[in-house]
Amino acid sequence: QSVLTLPPSASGTPGQRVTISCSGSSSNIGGNTVNWYQQLPGTAPKLLIYNNNQRPSGVPDRFSGSKSGTSASLAISGLQSEDEADYYCATWDDSLNGVVFGGGTKLTVL
Amino acid sequence: QLQLQESGPGLVKPSETLSLTCTVSGGSINSGSYYWGWIRQPPGKGLEWIGSIYYSGSPYYNPSLNSRVTISVDTSKNQFSLKLTSVTAADTAVYYCARHIVATPRGGLDIWGLGTRLTVSS
Repeated sequence: QSVLTLPPSASGTPGQRVTISCSGSSSNIGGNTVNWYQQLPGTAPKLLIYNNNQRPSGVPDRFSGSKSGTSASLAISGLQSEDEADYYCATWDDSLNGVVFGGGTKLTVL
Repeated sequence: QLQLQESGPGLVKPSETLSLTCTVSGGSINSGSYYWGWIRQPPGKGLEWIGSIYYSGSPYYNPSLNSRVTISVDTSKNQFSLKLTSVTAADTAVYYCARHIVATPRGGLDIWGLGTRLTVSS
């Protein structure tokens, strides 16, 4: 059971906008910044969003992040087939004094 | 360009100690600007943070592994290492090393190694 809750799956068609929501609590998302990772099949995770809504260099602006209260969201606009991957949210948990990850969302591009 | 590479035995027997090393190239581990971390992923499952450390020490560990894990830094070799004692089949996973984007483990992990697969089996 993960501390952060992600839907196990999400899907969309090419060109569509998809949103993945990550739910936490006051000890994690509520008081800390959220990071999002993309993991393509068979590869290492890649930092997609940091500090709630910042994109590292090279990440397309189709990817955006937001945070409100104890939840965070990742939005992907103009969905492409190469976006098919697992997505994870992560943040610091003040109670556990460590990094916590969501269980992961498998995004399918139909 | 900074790169990280994990190395380890691949296979460890139950109850033994797992030792993995992450070698940092293209930059210095003691630049003082980053924390360095270990993350693992059991087969078919999600990511689990193991712990993170600064070049001068000050490690943070996952409470669920705290009694079994030690992370250390060797600045002379530009490496940081993971030791996990009393391993069981549940420790079978791909182990990744990564760099935090800032000098705190609260920051995102922006550079990852390719990962090393570890199997616990007799």
